[in-house]
Amino acid sequence: EVQLVQSGAEVKKPGESLKISCKDSGYRFTSYWIGWVRQMPGKGLEWMGIIYPGDSDTIYSPSFQGQVTISADKSISTAYLQWSSLKASDTAMYYCARHGYCTAGNCYPDYWGQGTLVTVSS
Amino acid sequence: QSVLTQPPSVSAAPGQKVTISCSGSSSNIGNNYVSWYQQLPGTAPKLLIYENNKRPSGIPDRFSGSKSGTSATLGITGLQTGDEADYYCGTWDSSLSAHVVFGGGTKLTVL
Repeated sequence: EVQLVQSGAEVKKPGESLKISCKDSGYRFTSYWIGWVRQMPGKGLEWMGIIYPGDSDTIYSPSFQGQVTISADKSISTAYLQWSSLKASDTAMYYCARHGYCTAGNCYPDYWGQGTLVTVSS
Repeated sequence: QSVLTQPPSVSAAPGQKVTISCSGSSSNIGNNYVSWYQQLPGTAPKLLIYENNKRPSGIPDRFSGSKSGTSATLGITGLQTGDEADYYCGTWDSSLSAHVVFGGGTKLTVL
């Protein structure tokens, strides 16, 4: 069974850096794209980007390009989402999602992690 | 504002049928497959439909999907109170650089 386990909730101050994680179990980590989705309080889903752990190829949403960094360590089957300088507007729930259904070169989210709540407040 | 347009809310009685629409354009739905996700309160999204109309293992056939042109529709029959959730459509968009886009979400209330 595919299982994505995310790191715990974080409380940070504006300007601080942060790296959250998503560890897979139950599937071949290097064979699927894996990415991140933001959900701000009371709002909808926003796709941030994905990475292919096999070769570290990365695709970002234009809305998040340059704002965050997505990375992966295939030796420990873990994907990461990183900020260098957090803002209050980064307060949200962040989900990792395996993109396991691929058709015509595009892959779609199928399995999701439980979410990591990030709170940025002074 | 989301690239894909969904109604903010729909409602129906238990046992009834409901449809949720998702409207896009030629740069997204018109040329790509659509997926649908269910998000129960306080939980992570769950895949309901992929490739427009296919159900993953374990998803009951009360849930169905269709696509026509630049719009897609999720149908739910035999509504149950446990179906109360937010529903999102998603697909790839190639208007700027290729990336996934979601609809704004539709809250389903089972009266």
